[in-house]
Amino acid sequence: TQLLEQSPQFLSIQEGENLTVYCNSSSVFSSLQWYRQEPGEGPVLLVTVVTGGEVKKLKRLTFQFGDARKDSSLHITAAQPGDTGLYLCAGGSGGGADGLTFGKGTHLIIQP
Amino acid sequence: DVKVTQSSRYLVKRTGEKVFLECVQDMDHENMFWYRQDPGLGLRLIYFSYDVKMKEKGDIPEGYSVSREKKERFSLILESASTNQTSMYLCASSWGETQYFGPGTRLLVL
Repeated sequence: TQLLEQSPQFLSIQEGENLTVYCNSSSVFSSLQWYRQEPGEGPVLLVTVVTGGEVKKLKRLTFQFGDARKDSSLHITAAQPGDTGLYLCAGGSGGGADGLTFGKGTHLIIQP
Repeated sequence: DVKVTQSSRYLVKRTGEKVFLECVQDMDHENMFWYRQDPGLGLRLIYFSYDVKMKEKGDIPEGYSVSREKKERFSLILESASTNQTSMYLCASSWGETQYFGPGTRLLVL
């Protein structure tokens, strides 16, 4: 059984600070997705990374896939209250038909 | 733009009722999924389908069934709702390994 561990589980910081969320596994994944979910809504895809060592930037968000494709990180620069939400990482094991392995998420609160 | 819709945002049912949750995607995706999401447990896969009329059990299929008669529509059925099925239900469809989610249905079983 593949597992994805996310850390931290909860994070509350002030507006303007930087933060990093981690997603770790002992398993190799063919791809890794990051989602953001707001209360009462479905997860919204932020990024998909597929190559070991890949770095993708989305405005103030930087995503990295580990060289061995077992881990990933999400770094937010100058966090804003609009970044508040549940961040989920999910790993794919090839093909797409079998679904993804999800981490339990990081609850992020950015205080004004 | 990718679009996955779910028939209801909120639903209240009584124990023992049969419940239908509908999901429709307009992206011509082959794969569709049903999850439930509970605090502290994350997303758990109930059933998935990789083609019309095909279905596969996920991690927690007990108490649920599914139907996929058309490519764009994937239904989740609770044959006899129980209080422990109170949850947020999320439908997704996928192109490759990237999944796109609907807005979710929050189901309360009394």
